[in-house]
Amino acid sequence: NAGVTQTPKFRVLKTGQSMTLLCAQDMNHEYMYWYRQDPGMGLRLIHYSVGEGTTAKGEVPDGYNVSRLKKQNFLLGLESAAPSQTSVYFCASRLAGGAYEQYFGPGTRLTVT
Amino acid sequence: GQQVMQIPQYQHVQEGEDFTTYCNSSTTLSNIQWYKQRPGGHPVFLIQLVKSGEVKKQKRLTFQFGEAKKNSSLHITATQTTDVGTYFCAGPAEGAQKLVFGQGTRLTINP
Repeated sequence: NAGVTQTPKFRVLKTGQSMTLLCAQDMNHEYMYWYRQDPGMGLRLIHYSVGEGTTAKGEVPDGYNVSRLKKQNFLLGLESAAPSQTSVYFCASRLAGGAYEQYFGPGTRLTVT
Repeated sequence: GQQVMQIPQYQHVQEGEDFTTYCNSSTTLSNIQWYKQRPGGHPVFLIQLVKSGEVKKQKRLTFQFGEAKKNSSLHITATQTTDVGTYFCAGPAEGAQKLVFGQGTRLTINP
């Protein structure tokens, strides 16, 4: 069981470039999440998904798009990267219903210059 | 919207001293979760509290959920260097489909 994996681990982009972050989980979880973490700001939810083919906006969705074409994968896209998107991005997943804990991936450190 | 506040933001202690972080929600919570993030790592689930006034212990860690289910605390007795990291509380939102995290308390320890 790999749990939650994220690709890539590190990335440097120039302003205006695009990229996609991949999150994969092998725990058959229904819910998946994308967070960004900045110093002193805790974890802020970007987008989330409660099932294959469904997505919803979180607290800070602007500048990001997501897709959940397969249950095990959740993609986060940056169409035109900005320096303000420099951050550490975490993906998480959990079971549906009730109050289950979230399992986090190792994170992607993104720098936009 | 729902807010979860944590204090203090930072805490530096001598090894062996106790440590407490407090979590306050703007709304009543059905449950509260605590996570720990080691430096350079990712958040890892520690525990969940559900009942009003609930107290749970994990070795040197004691977690409490307030009577009104709007606040919680994490107390570490006799800190060790392995306790270094950031501790987050989180409460459910949007019908429990998502969590709202506090800003975290970063604990550093002088050995």
